[in-house]
Amino acid sequence: AQRVTQPEKLLSVFKGAPVELKCNYSYSGSPELFWYVQYSRQRLQLLLRHISRESIKGFTADLNKGETSFHLKKPFAQEEDSAMYYCALRETSGSRLTFGEGTQLTVNP
Amino acid sequence: DTAVSQTPKYLVTQMGNDKSIKCEQNLGHDTMYWYKQDSKKFLKIMFSYNNKELIINETVPNRFSPKSPDKAHLNLHINSLELGDSAVYFCASSQDGLAGGGNEQFFGPGTRLTVL
Repeated sequence: AQRVTQPEKLLSVFKGAPVELKCNYSYSGSPELFWYVQYSRQRLQLLLRHISRESIKGFTADLNKGETSFHLKKPFAQEEDSAMYYCALRETSGSRLTFGEGTQLTVNP
Repeated sequence: DTAVSQTPKYLVTQMGNDKSIKCEQNLGHDTMYWYKQDSKKFLKIMFSYNNKELIINETVPNRFSPKSPDKAHLNLHINSLELGDSAVYFCASSQDGLAGGGNEQFFGPGTRLTVL
């Protein structure tokens, strides 16, 4: 069965510092990986997906199949990045998303 | 022109009651979902419907019954509410079968259920 692990429940950094939110997965097939973000009192929304290989709001994530990781990175954190971040995996076939436990990021001024 | 909407936004009720949460999407998507986010913010899928047909049914108590009258709606009915049902329930939708995969799920604003 697939599993997504986000080892840090809470992460606190200062504005301007680099930030990395860790995500590891286990899945026997070829997964699709996503990062979703939930700002305070807002709905979950897609931040980025590995197949797009894009940078959104300065965030990037690279799928490392050897390490089964999909860490989210940003070189200079901003206060508005403070939010709950979820890593998610979609199976090769089907629509089911399996979410990690989430990491609450706080960017301090 | 909200994409995925849920009603009500807040629901406070007594143990043992029966309640429903409604979800509607105007994106023309084929697949809809219900997720439960517990007090620790852990997000877990409960159900998924594709074109009104149940395709995912996780180990959820049978007090929870989803109903999809059409592919734009997926309602969640909960019987005999228990304290442990208190959570935020999110509806979502997606369009499957897109070329290249990577179908995004669009989430509703959530319904915060409190069982007293």
